Amino acid sequence: QVTLRESGPALVKPTQTLTLTCTFSGFSLSTDGMCVGWIRQPPGKAPEWLARIDWEDDKYYTTSVKTRVTISKDTSKNQVVLTMTNMDPLDTATYFCARIDTTKGYFVDYWGQGTLVTVSS
Amino acid sequence: MVMTQSPATLSVSPGERATLSCGASHSMSNYLAWYQQKPGQAPRLLIYGASTRATGIPVRFSGSGSGTEFTLTISSLQSEDFAVYYCLQYNNWPGTFGQGTKVEIK
Repeated sequence: QVTLRESGPALVKPTQTLTLTCTFSGFSLSTDGMCVGWIRQPPGKAPEWLARIDWEDDKYYTTSVKTRVTISKDTSKNQVVLTMTNMDPLDTATYFCARIDTTKGYFVDYWGQGTLVTVSS
Repeated sequence: MVMTQSPATLSVSPGERATLSCGASHSMSNYLAWYQQKPGQAPRLLIYGASTRATGIPVRFSGSGSGTEFTLTISSLQSEDFAVYYCLQYNNWPGTFGQGTKVEIK
């Protein structure tokens, strides 16, 4: 059974750095074809990809956040970490951890439940 | 790639058919997925490859289309189907979501 769970602060101040951890089970990021990424969804809006990391440690970032975001993995702990610098109130959103099994296609097949991050002073 | 969904809101009575559209700004392969999202929940995968139902998805959900026009059809709406639906193109990175169609009770 595949599960993903996000953890991190619910509230950050403007200009601070956000660090979110995704802890997953039911698959391994060392298995060919597996990817884990981060997607955010501002209140009332559509989801938006931020970053993904794959089984070969290749990393992909969305252009709009590329200079502020870093994604990394700890395969032994089944964790993926996202850091986002210089947070702004416009970054207020629910942040989802998501799995892609590229042997089926580059779409998300499993999502975490999401964690709401509010950026406010 | 910009994905445009229509309509923004669809009012349907239980038992009726619902047809949701998703248009791509450029012609693409069938790398198109559909998700259902209920309030306070993560999206749930319904369809991938434009027409393949994900595991456990009822047969009343079907996907079709190619090129720039894709459709999600719910043949007979059940009470649990009232939600927001998003399309996602994964033809290239980063995949982009449409802005969503809210299916509400008429």
